[in-house]
Amino acid sequence: ETGVTQTPRHLVMGMTNKKSLKCEQHLGHNAMYWYKQSAKKPLELMFVYSLEERVENNSVPSRFSPECPNSSHLFLHLHTLQPEDSALYLCASSQVAGGRQHFGDGTRLSIL
Amino acid sequence: KQEVTQIPAALSVPEGENLVLNCSFTDSAIYNLQWFRQDPGKGLTSLLLIQSSQREQTSGRLNASLDKSSGRSTLYIAASQPGDSATYLCAAYGGNQFYFGTGTSLTVIP
Repeated sequence: ETGVTQTPRHLVMGMTNKKSLKCEQHLGHNAMYWYKQSAKKPLELMFVYSLEERVENNSVPSRFSPECPNSSHLFLHLHTLQPEDSALYLCASSQVAGGRQHFGDGTRLSIL
Repeated sequence: KQEVTQIPAALSVPEGENLVLNCSFTDSAIYNLQWFRQDPGKGLTSLLLIQSSQREQTSGRLNASLDKSSGRSTLYIAASQPGDSATYLCAAYGGNQFYFGTGTSLTVIP
């Protein structure tokens, strides 16, 4: 148990669907992150939140929309995704931005 | 843009052997360097974090070193065990960004 919980663990959706990924951390951390992990590619940082404010957005397509309602919860809203968006999406948290990260087990997303 | 490289991509060793995993980065202006392990179907587990002002960190059988001037970090694993089999990733942090390598897949043979 890492203290970071992601739901769902698996998600299959069509290109026209709208879904959301959820991340919850029970560690009292102030920073949260979304990553994309694709086969044979380095882990890609998508979004960083510190104290519920977005501090980094790495040119991620607008079909991915993050939301951080409080320091314990992070969402990734998905709409009109493309087949190349199929990947493992990982959430992480740390005490401060750039600190030692704790990861969830990820959501395996498949786009049909 | 920072680029992080890990060589080799895969490594197989017999149980009990000491081994070194390598991580190199192109921009020395980093805040810290972190090592993780990832087991199949799981997220990443943090192993060690080295601040830019530090030269090494140790945890049990693991020792990580950092040489900013040469853009290199190494992870030393002593007396390897089958349970050490996993993918090991390094990440350089700087400018609000984490830059990850593609990892070294380690297999420890009983």
